[in-house]
Amino acid sequence: EPEVTQTPSHQVTQMGQEVILRCVPISNHLYFYWYRQILGQKVEFLVSFYNNEISEKSEIFDDQFSVERPDGSNFTLKIRSTKLEDSAMYFCASSPGLAAYEQYFGPGTRLTVT
Amino acid sequence: AQTVTQSQPEMSVQEAETVTLSCTYDTSESDYYLFWYKQPPSRQMILVIRQEAYKQQNATENRFSVNFQKAAKSFSLKISDSQLGDAAMYFCAYRSAGTASKLTFGTGTRLQVTL
Repeated sequence: EPEVTQTPSHQVTQMGQEVILRCVPISNHLYFYWYRQILGQKVEFLVSFYNNEISEKSEIFDDQFSVERPDGSNFTLKIRSTKLEDSAMYFCASSPGLAAYEQYFGPGTRLTVT
Repeated sequence: AQTVTQSQPEMSVQEAETVTLSCTYDTSESDYYLFWYKQPPSRQMILVIRQEAYKQQNATENRFSVNFQKAAKSFSLKISDSQLGDAAMYFCAYRSAGTASKLTFGTGTRLQVTL
């Protein structure tokens, strides 16, 4: 069964450094999402992406964040200058499109900012 | 904005028994979807069950069923014949009917399954 994959599974970085989290959505999916989950808290929406542009973003998704689909298969989340409070689990999700409503989640990347 | 509330931070059930997890939501929309996701210790988000708001019939997936009360904005999950593998965090989530709509999650309920 096709699945969403994410790399790396765990990333440790120093405050102020740039990180790129990578996701490979399911191949025929058209809608892509990033969510994050701070340890012990609920899952929060960051951004949705369709047709090579952002569809919606949350208040969390400020100028430090950006998303890209550089090559038609990968979907990346970049954090330009990480802060301690960016430490969280980051989930990528994808969805097929109009007639479908389920989002398929990847296994997540645990980001630790020190 | 839509909100999802799970008022039970933790629940416990004995193996083979039945447990019900509660969820309420607030929305002004008439068309939407509701979901229950399971998050085991691996932290992968796994879809358990979904409900379309326009359907009156409650969704069922094997041992999992929901009680969807649209007027009351309530969406509870019933797990029958609980198994040790059901132990996890369970998140209730709301999604508007638009194609690229985000999921809005509740704070989760941690379910323990005891022998």
